[in-house]
Amino acid sequence: AQKITQTQPGMFVQEKEAVTLDCTYDTSDQSYGLFWYKQPSSGEMIFLIYQGSYDEQNATEGRYSLNFQKARKSANLVISASQLGDSAMYFCAMRERTGANSKLTFGKGITLSVRP
Amino acid sequence: DSGVTQTPKHLITATGQRVTLRCSPRSGDLSVYWYQQSLDQGLQFLIQYYNGEERAKGNILERFSAQQFPDLHSELNLSSLELGDSALYFCASSPGKHTEAFFGQGTRLTVV
Repeated sequence: AQKITQTQPGMFVQEKEAVTLDCTYDTSDQSYGLFWYKQPSSGEMIFLIYQGSYDEQNATEGRYSLNFQKARKSANLVISASQLGDSAMYFCAMRERTGANSKLTFGKGITLSVRP
Repeated sequence: DSGVTQTPKHLITATGQRVTLRCSPRSGDLSVYWYQQSLDQGLQFLIQYYNGEERAKGNILERFSAQQFPDLHSELNLSSLELGDSALYFCASSPGKHTEAFFGQGTRLTVV
């Protein structure tokens, strides 16, 4: 079963506007973590933001915020004031613990294009 | 710069060959993860090491193996290479077993 679902095939946003990238997840664990990574065309994976399952407040990191809705199992990334440099692939990921171990499971990603 | 160093950045090799990818984690990070990214499979978790010990295994082929050395650097060995092994291989590190992971720039492997 797919653990992380990112269904938006590609997103376009005007420079300086806000954009929401969707992510839904599936887990039976009570303790888990949700991550967003950015992958520009150069290929590196850049960590953006983290939300723990027990965190009561939505995570924020500068222009990035995570809209965490636990009951709906969604963890959408909101980018405010989009910049041309935000054009990239964005991956949602979930960390689950299996005993003493854990791994990150990634979604298939969403392409974001910022228009000038 | 994430602080995770992967070498080489690019590698072109022939089918049937063996290659070694190297990863130096961020200073102090004990966990190292390996991922494979291909167009058809997306980002696939391969294996995790924590302080020298294997901790979790994902979709890693038997032809692939990895290890983490006492200085915490890690190597991913890929043998009997096939065309389908062509992919971007990422190493990531984190301070603990269950914390966020910072990725290296990846090694792009092309098997011809």
